Amino acid sequence: DGGITQSPKYLFRKEGQNVTLSCEQNLNHDAMYWYRQDPGQGLRLIYYSQIVNDFQKGDIAEGYSVSREKKESFPLTVTSAQKNPTAFYLCASSKGQGTEKLFFGSGTQLSVL
Amino acid sequence: AQSVTQLDSQVPVFEEAPVELRCNYSSSVSVYLFWYVQYPNQGLQLLLKYLSGSTLVKGINGFEAEFNKSQTSFHLRKPSVHISDTAEYFCAVIRNSGNTPLVFGKGTRLSVIA
Repeated sequence: DGGITQSPKYLFRKEGQNVTLSCEQNLNHDAMYWYRQDPGQGLRLIYYSQIVNDFQKGDIAEGYSVSREKKESFPLTVTSAQKNPTAFYLCASSKGQGTEKLFFGSGTQLSVL
Repeated sequence: AQSVTQLDSQVPVFEEAPVELRCNYSSSVSVYLFWYVQYPNQGLQLLLKYLSGSTLVKGINGFEAEFNKSQTSFHLRKPSVHISDTAEYFCAVIRNSGNTPLVFGKGTRLSVIA
């Protein structure tokens, strides 16, 4: 079945540690996105990528980094510079941008130990 | 820049009653509008979208929304809700030119009471 797979479902980070969230899609989509969801805040865009080897910052990119070395994969690293990382992280993809429907993964809940 | 305001953070409603979830947008250019639904501990799914044409848009699960350009609104409605409609609903906007990502509202939690 085609879709987006996020892993792990739950992740814990220690102080000063970098952690990486995985996002893989087999939909042959060009565009991929990372959103952060906090209660009552909706979804805020962290980074997005429209094509392999290219990505752009979203509204809250500070403390995060991404790479897009393969079309299928768009991992997100939460660095130690992100002082408030506890949140639900959602990855999405679309065939292109604009009117294209976004397909979402089932999310990763990141918590700080 | 585009922005979306969802006027109600929580909406409780009894089963089989009608419901309206309100969404207003702000943009200096023409936009496309979307409603997504999120069930507990899951990602989001597209309910419906307005691109052009008829201002009344029908989506999945019996939902519909009406685009009102003069009031810059895109309210979501359902004539009779079920327990299974309990979820969080997000309105989103994108400008209709250029490659820019969706901007989401803060969400409305719909709770259907038996």
